Amino acid sequence: GQNIDQPTEMTATEGAIVQINCTYQTSGFNGLFWYQQHAGEAPTFLSYNVLDGLEEKGRFSSFLSRSKGYSYLLLKELQMKDSASYLCAVRSFSSGSARQLTFGSGTQLTVLP
Amino acid sequence: GAGVSQSPSNKVTEKGKDVELRCDPISGHTALYWYRQSLGQGLEFLIYFQGNSAPDKSGLPSDRFSAERTGGSVSTLTIQRTQQEDSAVYLCASSFVVAGPLPPDTQYFGPGTRLTVL
Repeated sequence: GQNIDQPTEMTATEGAIVQINCTYQTSGFNGLFWYQQHAGEAPTFLSYNVLDGLEEKGRFSSFLSRSKGYSYLLLKELQMKDSASYLCAVRSFSSGSARQLTFGSGTQLTVLP
Repeated sequence: GAGVSQSPSNKVTEKGKDVELRCDPISGHTALYWYRQSLGQGLEFLIYFQGNSAPDKSGLPSDRFSAERTGGSVSTLTIQRTQQEDSAVYLCASSFVVAGPLPPDTQYFGPGTRLTVL
């Protein structure tokens, strides 16, 4: 089976930097996704890592270490609109199908003024 | 349409009634997924369709739940004899297996159907 862990909640201040961690245990790792979900809305794609290292996309960056089973999502210059739940999802060949994603429970980020 | 659509957006039903939830995936997407999300919780996988292959039903919580996908496009999730614990948001997602603007297998989610069982 697969196990994905993320902190349940985080709080940060507008303009600051926050790092949301995700650890996973799986065999046949085949990529890690980060999604953002605002309250009452559907999740939307943020970033994707399949190789070790940092992927940067504007204010958001995502890092992956496959040997450690670890990823983080880094949000810079936080804005109030960044308050949302951030979901880590792992794609693995050990899933019922190689194309499925297993989602973590999400980290609820609250940005304070 | 441009995105995944779901209907109805809200459904209130009485315990014991059957409900049908509909999902229209993005045109051309071969994979379709159903998830359930309870308030403040993560996504619970229910079922997965890929092309003409047999669906992966491993996430369905009981035999009261079933889903079909007709013509490789529209999907219907049916819940029979609904129970109060079935109350949740039911999310549908679709994906394409090769890379496009986004990585392969990136799931695009619909707005969800909020089901309330009284």
